[in-house]
Amino acid sequence: GENVEQHPSTLSVQEGDSAVIKCTYSDSASNYFPWYKQELGKGPQLIIDIRSNVGEKKDQRIAVTLNKTAKHFSLHITETQPEDSAVYFCAASGGNQFYFGTGTSLTVIP
Amino acid sequence: NAGVMQNPRHLVRRRGQEARLRCSPMKGHSHVYWYRQLPEEGLKFMVYLQKENIIDESGMPKERFSAEFPKEGPSILRIQQVVRGDSAAYFCASSPKVRASNEQFFGPGTRLTVL
Repeated sequence: GENVEQHPSTLSVQEGDSAVIKCTYSDSASNYFPWYKQELGKGPQLIIDIRSNVGEKKDQRIAVTLNKTAKHFSLHITETQPEDSAVYFCAASGGNQFYFGTGTSLTVIP
Repeated sequence: NAGVMQNPRHLVRRRGQEARLRCSPMKGHSHVYWYRQLPEEGLKFMVYLQKENIIDESGMPKERFSAEFPKEGPSILRIQQVVRGDSAAYFCASSPKVRASNEQFFGPGTRLTVL
């Protein structure tokens, strides 16, 4: 089965700085890579996703890059704000299941 | 345009009791997925259902756990004879239809505590 690894597990940045979270996957059949933001006591919210036929996707301050050859993908958040503080999960999917990383707890320091 | 709804939000059960978790998918979505999240861990897939069919239950324990998604009404995840290790957050997600990769939208979760 698929194995998704996510790093770092915790990340603290100053407000206005950038944050980068990295994930690797093992199954070359995976072709869909969503990122979710989870706030305390809430369900995961889809913030951006990328499919394997695309190398990069951007949505305002959030961008995701995918390297299929190396089997890794990354989330980039620029100009971070305190409300970006949350746990972020990457996932990989090639069919029915999503395989999630173990999460990154991001803290943006005002 | 309501999102995925789950109830109850919090559920407390004593060991040996039954827990019933409900999930109403987004309007127009006919595919439901259940995940379990232990504290400070990622989500683990349990089961994938379409209306009246279980498509993939490879992540669900063989005993005590069952799921259904009837023609009418919400999807139900049932845990019989709960044990302390069942304490977790259970999330439901829905998607409109299956293709090779399809977005899944999550509900707020049910937090189960077994005393």
